[in-house]
Amino acid sequence: DAKTTQPPSMDCAEGRAANLPCNHSTISGNEYVYWYRQIHSQGPQYIIHGLKNNETNEMASLIITEDRKSSTLILPHATLRDTAVYYCIVRVAVAGGGADGLTFGKGTHLIIQP
Amino acid sequence: DTAVSQTPKYLVTQMGNDKSIKCEQNLGHDTMYWYKQDSKKFLKIMFSYNNKELIINETVPNRFSPKSPDKAHLNLHINSLELGDSAVYFCASSQSGSGVGETQYFGPGTRLLVL
Repeated sequence: DAKTTQPPSMDCAEGRAANLPCNHSTISGNEYVYWYRQIHSQGPQYIIHGLKNNETNEMASLIITEDRKSSTLILPHATLRDTAVYYCIVRVAVAGGGADGLTFGKGTHLIIQP
Repeated sequence: DTAVSQTPKYLVTQMGNDKSIKCEQNLGHDTMYWYKQDSKKFLKIMFSYNNKELIINETVPNRFSPKSPDKAHLNLHINSLELGDSAVYFCASSQSGSGVGETQYFGPGTRLLVL
């Protein structure tokens, strides 16, 4: 799987949009971009994923650049409970392929300030 | 109901002991995983099981052995525990393991401390 680069930490004011960047300049055409987060003392939690198009769900939006070399996770109205480490992961997706674990990097520690 | 559950939540034991951590998922998924998160917070895949078959086995010591009695369970047995085994162990599951746009669901973790 391709490597990703994320800032180690970010602050965001409560109620504002949190924009978390991720660089994945060596991403391949068949690799998805996934975002997970880990709230302190809990297991990682899936947020969103995408291949080429921008995606939105009830938790967040994912903006992928046209060249797919970077992406941004957007939490539209951050709350204190969004304080967590956010992981950007790129992963090969092969139909019928074998199970493959996720490769977690260091992630971004997002701190929501009251 | 908890989708992926692990027992125990905390485990404190002596060096040299043998211990097991249990994992159960009620999502009907075909693939289950074990991850290790060390003191530096790096999260790494250890094993995955798909239909009772070991799919991947990262370079972990053979003191660690996954056991799957059925599709809903993947237990982790650790023999001759060492100090360096102290970590948080997470179980996860996914629908098929094919990776085509699918997500993994994680358990709450088991905090292992070896004294």
